[in-house]
Amino acid sequence: QKEVEQDPGPLSVPEGAIVSLNCTYSNSAFQYFMWYRQYSRKGPELLMYTYSSGNKEDGRFTAQVDKSSKYISLFIRDSQPSDSATYLCAMSAPGTSGTYKYIFGTGTRLKVLA
Amino acid sequence: GAGVSQTPSNKVTEKGKYVELRCDPISGHTALYWYRQSLGQGPEFLIYFQGTGAADDSGLPNDRFFAVRPEGSVSTLKIQRTERGDSAVYLCASSPDTKETQYFGPGTRLLVL
Repeated sequence: QKEVEQDPGPLSVPEGAIVSLNCTYSNSAFQYFMWYRQYSRKGPELLMYTYSSGNKEDGRFTAQVDKSSKYISLFIRDSQPSDSATYLCAMSAPGTSGTYKYIFGTGTRLKVLA
Repeated sequence: GAGVSQTPSNKVTEKGKYVELRCDPISGHTALYWYRQSLGQGPEFLIYFQGTGAADDSGLPNDRFFAVRPEGSVSTLKIQRTERGDSAVYLCASSPDTKETQYFGPGTRLLVL
């Protein structure tokens, strides 16, 4: 079992829809939770960064963390064709060397149809 | 300000050759990470530098892979005797400190023929 599980999609939605993207994890030591957006042939771009359980909102994006269920979500409201990309969840915990290396999900490919 | 830059953006080489991939982190970022991303997968950790030293190289797949950061800024990932299985996108990220958010470069796409 992978430490981080993410449905690879693809997920196709009409423009204006609410998108829900999810990841589950098995390592209870994870402390930081991130969502990155990656366009084709580009590097990952940070969207959201959270530490505690609960919701964090930034514009059309809401990140949700439920540590008791080991489940995180990213919601995109009023989705736009420009949101079409791969969305990667990432998590980190301190390692023995103090490193906070990221463990990524496989990414979910999202396509927003105009 | 300038983000993380990586060169070359694409590299095609033949099996058995040696390659070097360069990463120029955000100015002032002491932490630097290398990841490898295969098609349809998320990035996988290779090595982490804090300053000039490799604090964690547990992700390097074998001794053909080596990375340096001699002056605590630019880093070079070196791959000896390349194999076709090394073909992937190699991503570099930097952060102000290991606990802080990592910012990624555009990656180097390596193709080993």
